[in-house]
Amino acid sequence: GQNIDQPTEMTATEGAIVQINCTYQTSGFNGLFWYQQHAGEAPTFLSYNVLDGLEEKGRFSSFLSRSKGYSYLLLKELQMKDSASYLCAARNSNYQLIWGAGTKLIIKP
Amino acid sequence: AAGVIQSPRHLIKEKRETATLKCYPISRHDTVYWYQQGPGQDPQFLISFYEKMQSDKGSIPDRFSAQQFSDYHSELNMSSLELGDSALYFCASSLLSGLAGMGELFFGEGSRLTVL
Repeated sequence: GQNIDQPTEMTATEGAIVQINCTYQTSGFNGLFWYQQHAGEAPTFLSYNVLDGLEEKGRFSSFLSRSKGYSYLLLKELQMKDSASYLCAARNSNYQLIWGAGTKLIIKP
Repeated sequence: AAGVIQSPRHLIKEKRETATLKCYPISRHDTVYWYQQGPGQDPQFLISFYEKMQSDKGSIPDRFSAQQFSDYHSELNMSSLELGDSALYFCASSLLSGLAGMGELFFGEGSRLTVL
């Protein structure tokens, strides 16, 4: 079957670094996305990986290992506004998006 | 540039009534998706359209139907509403064809449906 696994909840301290992991199993692979979603709001696109390696975008970076079916989102210099759910989604060869249940990130002062 | 526009933003209906949600995708995007998100849940994929043809179907109940029109806007029709249909309904659009971009989804702000 196809599925995405990511932790349900994580807690981190303002100013610190946090890594949110995601493992996936899909029928073929056509890219992995990370989205941020604040409660009651629409998900917003953060990053996309289709090749192995690290993609850096300011305070956020995303890593992909296709052989391991593994990705992580790295958030640096955490700010209170980073408190949100982070959704991992893998696209299969039919261009279907398989969504994880999201990781709720709680930032403490 | 304008993002994905959804209407209405809020809708209150009684059980067994019908509701229609509208979505206007980003200009030149070729794919539209509908998602349902209950409180504390991840988005559940309902249905998608590529170039006005249904391209994929997820966990959409038989009571629901959707279509995409010639101007690319899409409507989600929900009939015989049940209490469990109360949720946030997101529409998203993307550009899948062509080499530019990665086909990421751009979400509208959602339509909150409350069924009493």
